[in-house]
Amino acid sequence: NAGVTQTPKFQVLKTGQSMTLQCAQDMNHEYMSWYRQDPGMGLRLIHYSVGAGITDQGEVPNGYNVSRSTTEDFPLRLLSAAPSQTSVYFCATTKGDGYTFGSGTRLTVV
Amino acid sequence: GESVGLHLPTLSVQEGDNSIINCAYSNSASDYFIWYKQESGKGPQFIIDIRSNMDKRQGQRVTVLLNKTVKHLSLQIAATQPGDSAVYFCADVNDYKLSFGAGTTVTVRA
Repeated sequence: NAGVTQTPKFQVLKTGQSMTLQCAQDMNHEYMSWYRQDPGMGLRLIHYSVGAGITDQGEVPNGYNVSRSTTEDFPLRLLSAAPSQTSVYFCATTKGDGYTFGSGTRLTVV
Repeated sequence: GESVGLHLPTLSVQEGDNSIINCAYSNSASDYFIWYKQESGKGPQFIIDIRSNMDKRQGQRVTVLLNKTVKHLSLQIAATQPGDSAVYFCADVNDYKLSFGAGTTVTVRA
């Protein structure tokens, strides 16, 4: 029972490149979400999903796309990376309380 | 903007003493609050939560107090240990979405 698994753990991108951050959960939770964490700040919500086929924007959605084709997976896509997207990204799931976070992906855009 | 915030960015505590971490929130409609602990290089780890119909909840060595009148919550850690050194965040939950404060860094002195 792995909980929430994020890959990769580290990534360096050049400006303009695209990539997908993966998030997988084995807890059968309907709700999944993506947050970014910048130095000295709390986590901010990027996108979230309340179930397969349903996604919505959070506080800072610009520059990111998501999809939810299965309950288990919720990938986050950067179509054209920018230095402002340098951050640590966390995926989280819940069944209604006690949110569980993954260990994060540290992304640097140069 | 942020709906929650922590009063102090840092807290230094002698090992064995009790720690108190404070948090103020602005959204009076918030009905669920969570405290998280984040160690370096890791994702947020759930500590304890409280619903708005409660004013106190206790866990193992931790107590959360909620004062809805002044929109304030606190986390008390009893007999602080070196392993308690981390960044602590409060978050409020609305429609499954978490809003985080900036965090308090707790350092335990031996």
